[in-house]
Amino acid sequence: SQTIHQWPATLVQPVGSPLSLECTVEGTSNPNLYWYRQAAGRGLQLLFYSIGIDQISSEVPQNLSASRPQDRQFILSSKKLLLSDSGFYLCAWSPRWGSSYEQYFGPGTRLTVT
Amino acid sequence: SQQGEEDPQALSIQEGENATMNCSYKTSINNLQWYRQNSGRGLVHLILIRSNEREKHSGRLRVTLDTSKKSSSLLITASRAADTASYFCATDRDRDDKIIFGKGTRLHILP
Repeated sequence: SQTIHQWPATLVQPVGSPLSLECTVEGTSNPNLYWYRQAAGRGLQLLFYSIGIDQISSEVPQNLSASRPQDRQFILSSKKLLLSDSGFYLCAWSPRWGSSYEQYFGPGTRLTVT
Repeated sequence: SQQGEEDPQALSIQEGENATMNCSYKTSINNLQWYRQNSGRGLVHLILIRSNEREKHSGRLRVTLDTSKKSSSLLITASRAADTASYFCATDRDRDDKIIFGKGTRLHILP
């Protein structure tokens, strides 16, 4: 069966510090991968989307970047965090092929920028 | 861009009652999904209904879709404390692999 991992689970970082959040998927190949951010009590904002290694689409201009160095690894980064980067970050995957668009989410990372 | 909007924003009901949440969207879709999110956790996929379907069941969940009204409803029957969570609808976007989430309905089941 497929599983998706995210770490760390929680993170407190000062303004101006770098960020690296990691997401890995097991049990599937060639997944579509997604990074979302969820502000407190709000819906999900799609940040990045990837259909393959080194193939990243950015949804909104921001202080963040994403990379996919391996098929099942997706990394969210920042060189200098802003207060507004605080939030709950979710990684998700979906099957590459097929007519449905179900997404499967990791447990999330709670980021607090102080 | 098309986006689901859930209604109500928050709902509190007694355990054992039925809970109904609604979702409206703006443009035509291929499918609509419902997800559940427990506090501080990732989202869990509940059910997907395609545009040519009107109703779908999964256990205590019943989803309806009215494409003429651009709306969907999620009914949870015989609610339990464990159903306390936020529920999101999500619609496909422009025939690509992305989906757009609404802001969710916070459901609280009272003991």
